Amino acid sequence: AQSVAQPEDQVNVAEGNPLTVKCTYSVSGNPYLFWYVQYPNRGLQFLLKYITGDNLVKGSYGFEAEFNKSQTSFHLKKPSALVSDSALYFCAVRDGGYQKVTFGTGTKLQVIP
Amino acid sequence: DAGITQSPRHKVTETGTPVTLRCHQTENHRYMYWYRQDPGHGLRLIHYSYGVKDTDKGEVSDGYSVSRSKTEDFLLTLESATSSQTSVYFCAISGGGSNTEAFFGQGTRLTVV
Repeated sequence: AQSVAQPEDQVNVAEGNPLTVKCTYSVSGNPYLFWYVQYPNRGLQFLLKYITGDNLVKGSYGFEAEFNKSQTSFHLKKPSALVSDSALYFCAVRDGGYQKVTFGTGTKLQVIP
Repeated sequence: DAGITQSPRHKVTETGTPVTLRCHQTENHRYMYWYRQDPGHGLRLIHYSYGVKDTDKGEVSDGYSVSRSKTEDFLLTLESATSSQTSVYFCAISGGGSNTEAFFGQGTRLTVV
């Protein structure tokens, strides 16, 4: 069975500082990894994905994520946080051979002005 | 947002009544999914479809059924609604292959009283 862990329910960061939202995963096959963001009363929006290739993936709104196979992690990062980045962030994983996607429980990011 | 529409957006229903939620897409994507979102649980997969009349169960499928008679429509039915099914329901679509990221609808807030 595949699973995703987001160990932090909430991350607080000052505006302008770098941010990291953590994610670890478990799959039996090759992992397809995703990050999504959810603003209040909205559906999830796709940020970025890793399927294969470079371990550093760049996505929307200046976000990037680093795939680390040995640590089974896919942490979301941004060099300089904006107040508008405050939202709920979800990590997700899919075993490459299947279509079921498993989501983490989400991490609330609060960027403090 | 991608061409994906959920209806209704809000619904209040009584315990024991059947309820059907509709997801309509205009993207001609092969895969469609129903998730529920609850605090502390993130998103959990209810059912998904990999083609017309082809569906499979997710991790929380008990009490739910689905149907997909056309590529563009994916229906979720609560056969006899219970209070534990009070939740926000999201439909998602994906194209598969390299277009494996999911696009989400705006959600349906269902309250069972």
